[in-house]
Formats: sequence, structure tokens, C-alpha cells
Amino acid sequence: NAGVMQNPRHLVRRRGQEARLRCSPMKGHSHVYWYRQLPEEGLKFMVYLQKENIIDESGMPKERFSAEFPKEGPSILRIQQVVRGDSAAYFCASSPRGSVQYFGPGTRLTVT
Amino acid sequence: QKEVEQNSGPLSVPEGAIASLNCTYSDRGSQSFFWYRQYSGKSPELIMFIYSNGDKEDGRFTAQLNKASQYVSLLIRDSQPSDSATYLCAVRNAGGTSYGKLTFGQGTILTVHP
Repeated sequence: NAGVMQNPRHLVRRRGQEARLRCSPMKGHSHVYWYRQLPEEGLKFMVYLQKENIIDESGMPKERFSAEFPKEGPSILRIQQVVRGDSAAYFCASSPRGSVQYFGPGTRLTVT
Repeated sequence: QKEVEQNSGPLSVPEGAIASLNCTYSDRGSQSFFWYRQYSGKSPELIMFIYSNGDKEDGRFTAQLNKASQYVSLLIRDSQPSDSATYLCAVRNAGGTSYGKLTFGQGTILTVHP
């Protein structure tokens, strides 16, 4: 049974470019969460989605960041016009029915 | 006051000893509590979760919860060098749109030396 999958594992973008991070939840999981871990900081919640719905986006920056979880395909976290401060590890977690969350391997974003 | 607080450590214990990791939380409405382990450069890995007051044991790990004191701990018995990692305490509130969201502490760095 495959775990949570994220790709790419490493992403390098120049300032001003767009970054797209993808997350495929574990089989049977319909709840997806995105977290960000800045260097030397803890994990911070960004957004919680179910299929075709954003349930809680209280942790998302107001500008440049968006997330979706379409009916078909992976969840996508999109960062437009990236800045150096966006460099971080982005983790996706999934759960069945909003209970225990299992994390994917993460995407390490580096903005140059 | 931080929502979830942990001593950052590092906590150093000898191999075979008991490691005790502590966590306090500020929201009395918190319902579920989780311990994750994170090796350097890796993703968080679930170790245990606990919902009710008291102790919950799983192999060498014991989670303890005291809701009245807003305190949760993790004991690791017979510590091994492979247990050396950062341990993250996470808390989930119940109800409303916050259901499902985890709030993490800063993590405690544990080092088990041979």
C-alpha cells in the first residue's frame, strides 16, 4: 500500500517564477493537509482540503499561494511569483475522515 | 504564549536509558494529541496518538496525557542510538473549520549516545 506521494522532491525556482507542488494521498484517504517547515522553524499548517473543497485555509498567506484538490488527480499547492522567503520544505499529509495524519516525503523548494 | 510548547533540547541520554519528552498546550478544547519523529532532512513519522487521559503503551513507547494540566508526554524505554531524532508534539482541536488541523510544537532534539 503506497504511502503519501509528493513530487517533485526538490524544486529550484528563480525569484518571480511559479512553483507547483503535487500531492497524492494514500489510497482511501480523502483528506489532504499542507504544512510548511521553514529552516530552523516548526511545522506550520497551511491548508486543509477534501475533494473539490477547501475546508480550512487559515494558514495560507493571503497572496501568491493557492491550493486545490480536484475530483481527479493530485492535490496541488501553487506559489506564484516566488520570493527567497518561500524557500522551505512543504509537506503534505493525508488522513481518512480527518483522523490521524500521515506525511509524505516533502518537497524542498529553493528560490534563487 | 505559544499554543504548543516543547523544550527544544537537546536532550541527551545514554543507550538503554528512558528518554522523557514533554509538551504543554494552551487550548483546553484540544481533543487529540500526537507524537511524530523526524529525522534530519526527512518527513515526520507518526509514533503515537492519544485521546484520553492516562497512559497508552506501544512497544518501547508510552504516551501520557493529563488534560487537567494540559500536559502530554512521551517516554521511550531502552533508548537506542536510532531513536536520535527530533520529536514533534502535535495537538488537534475539535469542532468547526479547525477540525483536522494540527498545531505543532517546535520539537525536542533527542540524542542517544552509546
